[in-house]
Amino acid sequence: EAGVVQSPRYKIIEKKQPVAFWCNPISGHNTLYWYRQNLGQGPELLIRYENEEAVDDSQLPKDRFSAERLKGVDSTLKIQPAELGDSAVYLCASSLSTEAFFGQGTRLTVV
Amino acid sequence: GQNIDQPTEMTATEGAIVQINCTYQTSGFNGLFWYQQHAGEAPTFLSYNVLDGLEEKGRFSSFLSRSKGYSYLLLKELQMKDSASYLCASYSNYNFNKFYFGSGTKLNVKP
Repeated sequence: EAGVVQSPRYKIIEKKQPVAFWCNPISGHNTLYWYRQNLGQGPELLIRYENEEAVDDSQLPKDRFSAERLKGVDSTLKIQPAELGDSAVYLCASSLSTEAFFGQGTRLTVV
Repeated sequence: GQNIDQPTEMTATEGAIVQINCTYQTSGFNGLFWYQQHAGEAPTFLSYNVLDGLEEKGRFSSFLSRSKGYSYLLLKELQMKDSASYLCASYSNYNFNKFYFGSGTKLNVKP
């Protein structure tokens, strides 16, 4: 069974440019999470979906970040415009019950 | 509030036993997870405790005391491949189900 798939693995952009990340969760997993992980830190939740509904986006910086999960399967996370402080690893995770399964993440570098 | 504390870094010798502690303060606490994360890789699930006591799974064991807000991960017969970061995460069903991650404990296993 395929795990959580994310793309791209790495992205380097200049500040003020837009960027998008894509996530394909494990088949049948209703819950999808986007996390941001800074170097030497634990993941921090950005947004959580139950099917296509964003049930917790309290930590998402809505002035520049947006996310969608059309049809309750794949999801995209967008940053526009990116800032230097957005450099981090963006992790997607999915779950069926309690345990979350993580993708390998997208390492974003903003220069 | 939500607060997860774990040591930043630990060093142990191949073949030895190491215990990684985690304390938490989590509203709506509903379980404690341990994840392993190798550098540049996704966190992978190790264990889940929701009731007090010890859960054993091969060389890894995890303990939980809900009354003390305390957990530990015990790694036996350490191998070089166990060098990784170990993330403690509390699961809360308060204000939307979510994980709260600690900053991780970087374990260095030496020959």
